[in-house]
Amino acid sequence: DIQMTQSPSSVSASVGDRVSITCRASQGVSRWLAWYQQKPGKAPKVLIYEASSLQSGVPSRFSASGSGTDFTLTISSLQPEDSASYYCQQATTFPLTFGGGTKVEIK
Amino acid sequence: EVKLVESGGGLVQPGGSLRLSCAASGFTFSTSEMNWVRQAPGKGLEWVSYVTGSGKTIYYADSVKGRFTISRDNANNSLYLQMNSLRAEDTAVYYCAKKFAARSYHMDVWGKGTTVTVSS
Repeated sequence: DIQMTQSPSSVSASVGDRVSITCRASQGVSRWLAWYQQKPGKAPKVLIYEASSLQSGVPSRFSASGSGTDFTLTISSLQPEDSASYYCQQATTFPLTFGGGTKVEIK
Repeated sequence: EVKLVESGGGLVQPGGSLRLSCAASGFTFSTSEMNWVRQAPGKGLEWVSYVTGSGKTIYYADSVKGRFTISRDNANNSLYLQMNSLRAEDTAVYYCAKKFAARSYHMDVWGKGTTVTVSS
């Protein structure tokens, strides 16, 4: 199975800050990597797919990069509504696997 | 509007069974590949099972293989998860999720989830 490791597990930042989350795969997944945002009590929502493609309707302050084993999600200017947990998911091999999540909090 | 609505969750004793349903609308269900994903309380996301549009190809997580069965009824736009021999560690919110239409196996539409609690 492909293990997905996210870091940090939590981050606290101020409104307007740039926040980056990394995701590492235990083996190469090419660009088959998605990022999700999940708010408490809600279902996950896809933000990014194929490593860097922005899902329709997602604000442009979200961006992502990477390929192979190392990936990064960046929020360019943190907003209050970005307070949530973020998960990466490798989207190429069964079993599909998620990272452990990163909780983003607003200071 | 593209929509997935799960139902069938509840409280069940260890060793018991439960059948989850997911009603789909707003898209062509019969050609859509579907998944079940779960989230234990306070934990991360765990993929559970996948089925192709025809139902011919199915995959399971090792943690549920042999106990859970995914199925679908394309005539009624419904996805199911039959869960047998339930354990405390199966306690979670279960989400029905549609696979993105192209090559990537990510999920672009999610239901709100249904809660399964396994406890005596």
